[in-house]
Amino acid sequence: NAGVMQNPRHLVRRRGQEARLRCSPMKGHSHVYWYRQLPEEGLKFMVYLQKENIIDESGMPKERFSAEFPKEGPSILRIQQVVRGDSAAYFCASSPYDRESYGYTFGSGTRLTVV
Amino acid sequence: GQQVMQIPQYQHVQEGEDFTTYCNSSTTLSNIQWYKQRPGGHPVFLIQLVKSGEVKKQKRLTFQFGEAKKNSSLHITATQTTDVGTYFCWDSGYALNFGKGTSLLVTP
Repeated sequence: NAGVMQNPRHLVRRRGQEARLRCSPMKGHSHVYWYRQLPEEGLKFMVYLQKENIIDESGMPKERFSAEFPKEGPSILRIQQVVRGDSAAYFCASSPYDRESYGYTFGSGTRLTVV
Repeated sequence: GQQVMQIPQYQHVQEGEDFTTYCNSSTTLSNIQWYKQRPGGHPVFLIQLVKSGEVKKQKRLTFQFGEAKKNSSLHITATQTTDVGTYFCWDSGYALNFGKGTSLLVTP
């Protein structure tokens, strides 16, 4: 029973390029969350999605960032025109129900480095 | 708004010593979830506490939820080097973000 699968594990992008991060939730999980973590910081919420719906994107920067969870395929977090400040670990988590009643299962994360 | 404070931010112990981290809130918590993140790793869900005064144990780990549901603690008995990591508490009912947690370092 595979857990939450994230790829790539490491991603290097030059300033101005696009970064695309993928997340496949655990089987049977329909709730997907994206978090960003800077070194020695906590996890900052970005967006909460269900299939084909963005439920809460209050943590997403207004520009350059977008997320989707299509009917088929993984959830995608897209960062356009990356800047050095986007360098961070991006974690995806999934749960079978809402986060209040069930703990998250996190993926191994994507470490994004912008050079 | 609600703020959950976790203390201490860092703790360095000798292997075999006990360790406790505390989460305190000025307002009533909905529930508390605890996670552990190893250095370079990803957060792993440990447990959820829901009821006032609840106590749960997992081997050497003891989790408590305060009677007033305004605080919680995680106690590790006789730490081992495998306990190294950052422990996060989180009110999943209200909060979106996780705090900085408590980073535990265990030296042999």
